[in-house]
Amino acid sequence: QVQLVQSGAEVKKPGASVKVSCKASGYSFTTHTLHWVRQAPGQRLEWLGWSNAGHGNTYYSQKFQNRITFTSDTSATTAYMELSSLQFEDTGVYFCARDDGNTWLLDLWGQGTFVTVSS
Amino acid sequence: EVVLTQSPGTLSLSPGERATLSCRASQSISSNYLAWFQQKPGQAPRLLISSASSRATRVPDRFSGSGSGTDFILTISRLEPEDFAVYYCHQYGTSPLTFGGGTRVEIK
Repeated sequence: QVQLVQSGAEVKKPGASVKVSCKASGYSFTTHTLHWVRQAPGQRLEWLGWSNAGHGNTYYSQKFQNRITFTSDTSATTAYMELSSLQFEDTGVYFCARDDGNTWLLDLWGQGTFVTVSS
Repeated sequence: EVVLTQSPGTLSLSPGERATLSCRASQSISSNYLAWFQQKPGQAPRLLISSASSRATRVPDRFSGSGSGTDFILTISRLEPEDFAVYYCHQYGTSPLTFGGGTRVEIK
């Protein structure tokens, strides 16, 4: 079954870091780029950037580039997103999403990981 | 970045009615790479339309997309009970990828 399965909900304190995983199955992990998108409460969807395990490249949205890191474990077909220096405004649902391999069309999404930043 | 503005913010309609959702871009979208997603509470967005007018796999034909350049429309010809949700437009032609603010389609 073609799917992306993300890790469970997290609760973090301000200033901490969070690492979310996204396990891919049912398709070739290295031929599709994985994107990360977040949805803060009441806000629109916000794109964070992408990583490609095939060529090892990453691209970060300018807004987050100083505190976000994407990594991949090709043997485990799993991608990771780590966000550091968490602030209250980072609370929200974080999604991984696969593109179609030819464009940046996000055709398959993980179920989302809720990250709560609370003191 | 490409700013996407959706209207209306909320659409109150009855089952069986026609829904027309608008998405306007701040600049022409490269290759008409405009997608529409449906999102229900607690779920991930579901791809409905790509390249402005191509229905995704297993999407019912009551959903159709049109438009080009900066103005795009999603039409739901006859609303079914399962269609009441939030709809987002999304451009994937230019980095950074961006999303509209969403249109909520609610039961009247």
